[in-house]
Amino acid sequence: QIQLVQSGAEVEKPGASVKVSCKASGYTFTSYDISWVRQAPGQGLEWMGWISAYNGNRHYAQKLQDRLIMTTDTSTNTAYMELRSLRSDDTAVYYCARSTTADFYYFMDVWGKGTSVTVSS
Amino acid sequence: DIQMTQSPSAMSASVGDRVTITCRASQGISNYLAWFQQKPGKVPKRLIYASSNLQSGVPSRFSGSGSGTEFTLTISSLQPEDFATYYCLQHNRYPWTFGQGTKVEIK
Repeated sequence: QIQLVQSGAEVEKPGASVKVSCKASGYTFTSYDISWVRQAPGQGLEWMGWISAYNGNRHYAQKLQDRLIMTTDTSTNTAYMELRSLRSDDTAVYYCARSTTADFYYFMDVWGKGTSVTVSS
Repeated sequence: DIQMTQSPSAMSASVGDRVTITCRASQGISNYLAWFQQKPGKVPKRLIYASSNLQSGVPSRFSGSGSGTEFTLTISSLQPEDFATYYCLQHNRYPWTFGQGTKVEIK
């Protein structure tokens, strides 16, 4: 079955970086994009950006683009989200989701279980 | 940025009630709208894509409609498992933006 398996919880200090992985299985990885969404405790959902697993094209939310790096490794069908210069308000659950801008049917239809990132001194 | 305003922000309803949630976009987004359901501590689940298309496996009591700037999610007969928070998401223009959520609670 189609799955996105994310890496485990992280605790980081302010100013550090975190890299979350999202390993895809059950579908052709390079035929889709991966979107990232985060949710701070008790808050709503925030779209962070997406990356094409086909050609690496990406689009980031402007508020994060100075600190955010999305990459993919097609040899392992894994997408990565790295957030730098962490602040306390980056504390959130980070989700990856299969996505595409080409076909609404597959737009954010499958999600990973989420990775908790806590930023605390 | 396109603002997505959901109403109401929260509501109480009884099993069997018809529930309608509205999502208004600050500018036209055609049908680039999806609806998600999220239960506490769980992963968001897509219910509707392209404004009105039901996700496979989602009960037919859920429906979506709208185009342009006004969209609705309707639950025709609320069931116990439907108590959750619902979010709309526009993906017509960057940055993609979610509504603030509508929490549906038991009356």
